[in-house]
Amino acid sequence: SQQGEEDPQALSIQEGENATMNCSYKTSINNLQWYRQNSGRGLVHLILIRSNEREKHSGRLRVTLDTSKKSSSLLITASRAADTASYFCATDQIIQGAQKLVFGQGTRLTINP
Amino acid sequence: GAGVSQSPSNKVTEKGKDVELRCDPISGHTALYWYRQRLGQGLEFLIYFQGNSAPDKSGLPSDRFSAERTGESVSTLTIQRTQQEDSAVYLCASSQPGSSLSTDTQYFGPGTRLTVL
Repeated sequence: SQQGEEDPQALSIQEGENATMNCSYKTSINNLQWYRQNSGRGLVHLILIRSNEREKHSGRLRVTLDTSKKSSSLLITASRAADTASYFCATDQIIQGAQKLVFGQGTRLTINP
Repeated sequence: GAGVSQSPSNKVTEKGKDVELRCDPISGHTALYWYRQRLGQGLEFLIYFQGNSAPDKSGLPSDRFSAERTGESVSTLTIQRTQQEDSAVYLCASSQPGSSLSTDTQYFGPGTRLTVL
């Protein structure tokens, strides 16, 4: 079962506004990654934040991590129509003795021009 | 350089038929993953290949699913006696492992959209 849960499931905002997506998880992690997916196809890695980091920036992206609450947020500032996509968080989990990346269900983001 | 490629991009098949999906990873990437993504859902791990180690098949949903990898190159995912519930996008990803899986960025192919009628 997927252990990462994104919130909200869908988000629709106007171009230029900021978009915030949240991810919660249940077990201890070493790192958390965010990926983007256009049109139900391949995912593109956006950013990785380590468990000892609280905040990380990459261009218009800002990721926070709160290990005490087992949650992370992805903020996209000054959104553009091209940011329309689904966004997934992924956490490393030990499942059946093997380390895996477990993806959440995703947040579908729509930026309206 | 070339990214991960998958073929076919779309496959429509009849219930009960076998299908074979192909993945060409990025050259030099020793790790290869298969995922399944049903409509509107997240990614479901299927199988993981790492170099010459025995593959991690723990995510394969039934014995109708199997996968092979030739050395550190092409991989094929085979679904036998397809069922309508197998309809999904099948995504392949590859990575060049560093010190741990948790720090590895996975590079995804465009996926194969499988429709079982």
